[in-house]
Amino acid sequence: GQSLEQPSEVTAVEGAIVQINCTYQTSGFYGLSWYQQHDGGAPTFLSYNALDGLEETGRFSSFLSRSDSYGYLLLQELQMKDSASYFCAVSSLKAAGNKLTFGGGTRVLVKP
Amino acid sequence: KAGVTQTPRYLIKTRGQQVTLSCSPISGHRSVSWYQQTPGQGLQFLFEYFSETQRNKGNFPGRFSGRQFSNSRSEMNVSTLELGDSALYLCASSLEGGLERETQYFGPGTRLLVL
Repeated sequence: GQSLEQPSEVTAVEGAIVQINCTYQTSGFYGLSWYQQHDGGAPTFLSYNALDGLEETGRFSSFLSRSDSYGYLLLQELQMKDSASYFCAVSSLKAAGNKLTFGGGTRVLVKP
Repeated sequence: KAGVTQTPRYLIKTRGQQVTLSCSPISGHRSVSWYQQTPGQGLQFLFEYFSETQRNKGNFPGRFSGRQFSNSRSEMNVSTLELGDSALYLCASSLEGGLERETQYFGPGTRLLVL
């Protein structure tokens, strides 16, 4: 089966940096994605890593280490609007098409 | 481009009834996936359709079914509703091929309450 572990909650102040770790166990790993979901909203795609290394998209960066089955999402220069839940998700080569397995989500609370 | 749309947005049903939810993907997207989101179980994959064929299926009972039409619109059906089926049902669409394959665009969801 597949399983993902990520912290349940993180609190930080505006302007700070937050790192959300995600460890996974899966067979036939294909890629790691990150999604953001505000309360009452739909998950929104943030980033995707299929190869080792860092992907940077504005204030958000995502990292993957396939050998360690580990990735993280880095949120820089935190803003109040970044308060949301963040999910890591893996896709598997064993699935012919799209099938994402999500972690439990990390709730990020940004304080003034 | 218009985003993924789902109807209805809210629904209240009673145990034993059945329900049909609808999803219209982003124009040009051929893959439609359905997910169930609950506070206890998180986001769980239900099934994925591509070119009117179910390509992947999650670990849900046979009461949960779906289909996709030739215009890529999709419906999911839940029969004999149980209290535990109360959840946010999310539809996501994506292109097929390359990196785009991994970017799923979610709709706003249908919030189902079973009484």
